[in-house]
Amino acid sequence: GAVVSQHPSWVICKSGTSVKIECRSLDFQATTMFWYRQFPKQSLMLMATSNEGSKATYEQGVEKDKFLINHASLTLSTLTVTSAHPEDSSFYICSARAGTSYNEQFFGPGTRLTVL
Amino acid sequence: GDSVTQMEGPVTLSEEAFLTINCTYTATGYPSLFWYVQYPGEGLQLLLKATKADDKGSNKGFEATYRKETTSFHLEKGSVQVSDSAVYFCALFQAGTALIFGKGTTLSVSS
Repeated sequence: GAVVSQHPSWVICKSGTSVKIECRSLDFQATTMFWYRQFPKQSLMLMATSNEGSKATYEQGVEKDKFLINHASLTLSTLTVTSAHPEDSSFYICSARAGTSYNEQFFGPGTRLTVL
Repeated sequence: GDSVTQMEGPVTLSEEAFLTINCTYTATGYPSLFWYVQYPGEGLQLLLKATKADDKGSNKGFEATYRKETTSFHLEKGSVQVSDSAVYFCALFQAGTALIFGKGTTLSVSS
């Protein structure tokens, strides 16, 4: 299947700093990208959906000013965690979709964020 | 809203044992159902799917049948291997939305 990469795979930062996570579709054009957050022993929670060239749609309870999403091209989406705090520590996973059907949604390997 | 509930793990089995991981869902309409697998250090991979009632998805010896009457999609494998050790996620999809996942079940198989 298609490949989705994330960078970095893990990051440790100090409280109050901002962290940017990149998600790239390597061999296909992603019209839609999704950002999920995964807590230990919990499900993947959808944070936001972004379509190339338009503003992201955030799920209820997700602070859009804290989790900035940019989908600048058909192969790149970024998630910036602004003014990170320890409670933002989590595993962030992106997913990219070429069309509208399920079988075209591919997942990145995830990024482990630890905020000290 | 739509949701997926799957059995909590971890599930610990010996090699060649029979595996069942339960999954039930709540949804309006007629969702498609999936099992994803996440091996250590890797991204989620689609394991199998079923798009309508009574469909059976199968792959790599794993099977799951879409049961509308019980709103279930239990994952089964007759003889697990050490290489099957991973986290398994049940998920549903309806057109126009993103995948909705269960909490995941960790499977550990020992030789």
